[in-house]
Amino acid sequence: AQSVAQPEDQVNVAEGNPLTVKCTYSVSGNPYLFWYVQYPNRGLQFLLKYITGDNLVKGSYGFEAEFNKSQTSFHLKKPSALVSDSALYFCAVRSPISGSARQLTFGSGTQLTVLP
Amino acid sequence: EAGVAQSPRYKIIEKRQSVAFWCNPISGHATLYWYQQILGQGPKLLIQFQNNGVVDDSQLPKDRFSAERLKGVDSTLKIQPAKLEDSAVYLCASSLYTGGPYEQYFGPGTRLTVT
Repeated sequence: AQSVAQPEDQVNVAEGNPLTVKCTYSVSGNPYLFWYVQYPNRGLQFLLKYITGDNLVKGSYGFEAEFNKSQTSFHLKKPSALVSDSALYFCAVRSPISGSARQLTFGSGTQLTVLP
Repeated sequence: EAGVAQSPRYKIIEKRQSVAFWCNPISGHATLYWYQQILGQGPKLLIQFQNNGVVDDSQLPKDRFSAERLKGVDSTLKIQPAKLEDSAVYLCASSLYTGGPYEQYFGPGTRLTVT
């Protein structure tokens, strides 16, 4: 079965500093990987995805993520954090294999707080 | 482009009562999903529709939960009877196609509290 681990429930970073939100995954085959962000009382918003090719993926709002196959990781990064980046971040994985593995499986989320 | 619409936004019911949630996906999106998000957890897929057919309902508690998408557009999720452990946010999402690398677009969710 596929799974996603977000080892940090909470990440605090000062405004202007770089941020990293960690994600590791387990899946059969080459994965499709996604990052979503959730603001209070709102649904999830898509940030970026990895399909194939370049290991560094760029997404919305200046976020990027690095795919590392050997470490089965897909960490979310941003060079300079903003207070407005404070939100709940979810990593998700889907296998290209057919069947229930095509479900999008989410991690438990990481609350990012950017301190002014 | 209008997003995924859901109603109601909030619902409070007593255990053993019934409740229904409505979702209207993004126009042209063939695939519709219902997720349950319990506080402190990531969303968990309950059911997935491709047009008006069920693709995956393996995690739907079928003894109390039901869902339909009769005309292949909007959808209703029902719980009858509700239990305390059903308290959660119910998210609806849609995507252009099923599976693959296609991202899903989420509605604002319905927060259900069962007392």
